[in-house]
Amino acid sequence: GQQLNQSPQSMFIQEGEDVSMNCTSSSIFNTWLWYKQEPGEGPVLLIALYKAGELTSNGRLTAQFGITRKDSFLNISASIPSDVGIYFCAGRENAGNNRKLIWGLGTSLGVNP
Amino acid sequence: DGGITQSPKYLFRKEGQNVTLSCEQNLNHDAMYWYRQDPGQGLRLIYYSQIVNDFQKGDIAEGYSVSREKKESFPLTVTSAQKNPTAFYLCASHGQGLNYEQYFGPGTRLTVT
Repeated sequence: GQQLNQSPQSMFIQEGEDVSMNCTSSSIFNTWLWYKQEPGEGPVLLIALYKAGELTSNGRLTAQFGITRKDSFLNISASIPSDVGIYFCAGRENAGNNRKLIWGLGTSLGVNP
Repeated sequence: DGGITQSPKYLFRKEGQNVTLSCEQNLNHDAMYWYRQDPGQGLRLIYYSQIVNDFQKGDIAEGYSVSREKKESFPLTVTSAQKNPTAFYLCASHGQGLNYEQYFGPGTRLTVT
């Protein structure tokens, strides 16, 4: 099946640094989602984006729906050790009740205290 | 508390045996999903169901079967035909409406030897 191109694949930063990751698609999406997964657990939804150009924040996290509708990015400001995990982007091409998602391969984030 | 329950957290089976993974939700969600997660490969969709008594194959359905006899339950059977069954299995659900996104259970790690 189709997959999104998510980068970077992994990153290791110092506590307090800002982080940026992005996701691109070859097709147009009408929804972009960002999830975080901690080891051995299910993904948790962080931010949902529904309009091109939309910029949405959730605490220290900010995500944007690209104007071309083919990309999205997630920023984390002033990282802390509990930000460690795998961040997944996911997108949806269709409107309506079909919630089938296309997933990126994830960005693994490590934070050095 | 409302949520998704996947049991057990860890499951061990011998090669050649069928095994059924449980997924129960008390969120009154109509749609339910099963994903498989392998290291470095993100989430891959196995089966999904949008209403009771109906389900569709995802991208990697071969070697798996599901049933949806009740709204709350969507069990996944990993059959002996699945060549590489060892993986982390995630169940998700969502409600109807435009702003309902997939909510995940805690996952079951299946090891087949």
